[in-house]
Amino acid sequence: GQQVMQIPQYQHVQEGEDFTTYCNSSTTLSNIQWYKQRPGGHPVFLIQLVKSGEVKKQKRLTFQFGEAKKNSSLHITATQTTDVGTYFCAGPGNAGNMLTFGGGTRLMVKP
Amino acid sequence: DAGVTQSPTHLIKTRGQHVTLRCSPISGHKSVSWYQQVLGQGPQFIFQYYEKEERGRGNFPDRFSARQFPNYSSELNVNALLLGDSALYLCASSLRGPLYNSPLHFGNGTRLTVT
Repeated sequence: GQQVMQIPQYQHVQEGEDFTTYCNSSTTLSNIQWYKQRPGGHPVFLIQLVKSGEVKKQKRLTFQFGEAKKNSSLHITATQTTDVGTYFCAGPGNAGNMLTFGGGTRLMVKP
Repeated sequence: DAGVTQSPTHLIKTRGQHVTLRCSPISGHKSVSWYQQVLGQGPQFIFQYYEKEERGRGNFPDRFSARQFPNYSSELNVNALLLGDSALYLCASSLRGPLYNSPLHFGNGTRLTVT
């Protein structure tokens, strides 16, 4: 079945440093979604990418969808302590509106 | 507007018991999905319901069942609980039906502990 992998699993950064998480799918995706889960919280939708090679920005966050629509990345510029959490990518699965989530990248920021 | 609400927030059960988890979607959302999140992992799809019909089922045993009511709220039932069922159970609602990859709006989840 479809697999969505994320690397790295964990990342410690100093506040102000940049951070990137990478997402790879075993199959071509029609779209990819990104979610953020704060410690003790629930996943919160960040963005959806649909087009091949698409790049979207949200303030310090830059999201990219690969040309082959099998990979994606999230880059955070100048991390802040408020960026702490686990970032998940998710692609459509085989049934209905289900999403297959990656394992997530847990970001820890040292002030 | 209220977000997705789930109850209870925490639950402790013993092996062999059954449990019912409840979810109310965002007003106007007709699609409800259930996910299981084991500590340190991404959410895993269990069920999706749209207009009171099951529209998708993940790779979970028959001990797991769900339903959606006329007001679009939903219940997840798990029978014969196992230790491995301990997890955060997340309910998510979305505006559009199964043919669209609409963003999911998650509730705060129910933390189930099986002892």
